Amino acid sequence: DQQVKQNSPSLSVQEGRISILNCDYTNSMFDYFLWYKKYPAEGPTFLISISSIKDKNEDGRFTVFLNKSAKHLSLHIVPSQPGDSAVYFCAASENFGNEKLTFGTGTRLTIIP
Amino acid sequence: GAVVSQHPSWVICKSGTSVKIECRSLDFQATTMFWYRQFPKQSLMLMATSNEGSKATYEQGVEKDKFLINHASLTLSTLTVTSAHPEDSSFYICSAIRGVNTEAFFGQGTRLTVV
Repeated sequence: DQQVKQNSPSLSVQEGRISILNCDYTNSMFDYFLWYKKYPAEGPTFLISISSIKDKNEDGRFTVFLNKSAKHLSLHIVPSQPGDSAVYFCAASENFGNEKLTFGTGTRLTIIP
Repeated sequence: GAVVSQHPSWVICKSGTSVKIECRSLDFQATTMFWYRQFPKQSLMLMATSNEGSKATYEQGVEKDKFLINHASLTLSTLTVTSAHPEDSSFYICSAIRGVNTEAFFGQGTRLTVV
């Protein structure tokens, strides 16, 4: 049972445009959501997070939106840069923390110069 | 950010043998370490949670006698895959946190191939 879903395995975006990565979840107990970025041969690195008491969190070029009623979150990257090309994982936890994380399958983002 | 080092990066072993994977937090003391497994085209799945000096807590469906976890110090956790079989071939990755509700830092992962 995949509790966190990233339905797009891959996404290509022109440099300078907006990249939107989507994530859906089914477990209503999740209250903390995170996005990780992963380059080949490296471990995931934390990008941005949001707790269920908010609907938006922004950090520079990265913004995460949370729609609790739809059980949906999205990561917006604007403007997209070639260095953003990586696999992005959505993750969720039940305890406002980073302990037991449930991950999505990832979306490979390719930024086209 | 903090550094978590995992060793080896990849390993090939014969069926029936055991393989040990190390996870080290290089510049911080990790109160808790986590072990994940990722099969192709699937998500990272939590296998177990490891606290220093105590027994690991395994997720449902993970055999604790097959996947031995030792967290002997605040900077080192090891995962030993015992009597490995081809179906154990996977990508294993660890993460570590400094304390409750703190950011998790991941190792680079270990690709295990059992032949």
